[in-house]
Amino acid sequence: VHLQESGPGLVKSSGTLSLTCAVSGDSLTSSHWWSWVRQFPGKGLEWIGDVFHTGSTYYSPSLRARLTFSIDGSKSQFYMKMISVTAADTAYYFCARRALETSTATGGYIDYWGQGILVTVSS
Amino acid sequence: SYVPTQPPSMAGAPGQTVSITCGGNIGSKSVHWYQQKPGQAPVLVVYDYWYRPSGIPDRFSGSVSGGTATLTLSRVDGGDEADYYCQVWDSSRDHWVFGGGTKLTVL
Repeated sequence: VHLQESGPGLVKSSGTLSLTCAVSGDSLTSSHWWSWVRQFPGKGLEWIGDVFHTGSTYYSPSLRARLTFSIDGSKSQFYMKMISVTAADTAYYFCARRALETSTATGGYIDYWGQGILVTVSS
Repeated sequence: SYVPTQPPSMAGAPGQTVSITCGGNIGSKSVHWYQQKPGQAPVLVVYDYWYRPSGIPDRFSGSVSGGTATLTLSRVDGGDEADYYCQVWDSSRDHWVFGGGTKLTVL
């Protein structure tokens, strides 16, 4: 399974960040979440959210108001749009495949990651 | 917001055993562990507390006791130098969170 992020490396403050994740080696209709995670310069990882092939989405509570996820199985791509970005959104953005959680509270781990894309928000 | 507690750094000599802890609110769902080397994406090394994905050597092991999960690396070598992150369910906000990360140095 291979995931590849694409999008602008530089976004203006107050603008919109749009990223695409192209997936190969698996179908987007498989039983997995398709996820976005970001990593701030220096270290910290932050869960952004997930999209399922049905269109169901999960957004991090702290980012929900600014996010929209979508998915196109025919193109094997899924997408993230974040509005009203600020310098605090400067980070590496990863797309990933995440296992479903089970009824016994297992699962939920990320088994495949993209290489990541650095997005800088400039003023 | 809740961030699982990890020691910022750990160190060990080649051949030694190093244990990295992750604590704070463990228990409602599984804990998973990732290794990240500079300039690379994280790699899953332990999932569901103690299972290893294929290709991960058995020198990596996971455990949980009380409210703390532990990743143990036995017989460490220079190739294990990396940042290690736990992934934990934050039941108060209903989403996954990552620990702050532990930088492992092999002396």
